[in-house]
Amino acid sequence: IVLTQSPGTLSLSPGEGATLSCRASQSVTNTYLTWYQQKPGQAPRLLIYGASSRATGIPDRFSGTGSGTDFTLTISRLEPGDFAVYYCQLYGDSPLWTFGQGTKVEIK
Amino acid sequence: QVQLQESGPGLVKPSETLSLTCTVSGGSLNNYYWSWIRQPPGKGLEWIGYIYFSGDTNYNPLLKSRVTISVDTSKNLFSLKMSSVTAADTAIYYCARTVLRSYGSGTSRYSYYYGMDVWGQGSPVTVSS
Repeated sequence: IVLTQSPGTLSLSPGEGATLSCRASQSVTNTYLTWYQQKPGQAPRLLIYGASSRATGIPDRFSGTGSGTDFTLTISRLEPGDFAVYYCQLYGDSPLWTFGQGTKVEIK
Repeated sequence: QVQLQESGPGLVKPSETLSLTCTVSGGSLNNYYWSWIRQPPGKGLEWIGYIYFSGDTNYNPLLKSRVTISVDTSKNLFSLKMSSVTAADTAIYYCARTVLRSYGSGTSRYSYYYGMDVWGQGSPVTVSS
């Protein structure tokens, strides 16, 4: 299964909302879809698991939705620390874990 | 809280074997999967493989012939070996705790993936002569 993220880059201003898309090449199980944030020079950080559950310590500005083949990460009211690259990830296919190619959220 | 720390050589010669260790502190290896993930410079993330605390492994088919992951529960660490490396293996290598739980039994058995919730800071590896 291939995960395709769009757009490749999102240029936004602090305070604006961001909508990131992750599309799977075939229908997947919601419980296997996660989202990560990666800032320059840092390891990825788990944001969302089970397509819509926030990981420990993740603010409610981050929300995940979707089912089947289409999943969305929404960030409301962007803060300076939110400008980063975001990856979706799927468990269960071959290879067992697959990442999307990432969406960069940059300051406009 | 649980912390992961990768260690190993930052430079490996082509055709040789890359060896990295991930030491787990503040928690046990028990009942978790432990993954290796890599990220070439300026590129995305690629899952390499995992080991369960019991020793069961699973590898990315693209790398399977060259990869071995092992665990040492007495030292609370797990390790990655990748043989016959080339420049294409130059990357930052991350270890991560992977939370995958199974529930139910028989035909009602199902899995729930809670994500890779703890990561090491990454170990940069360059393959060059």
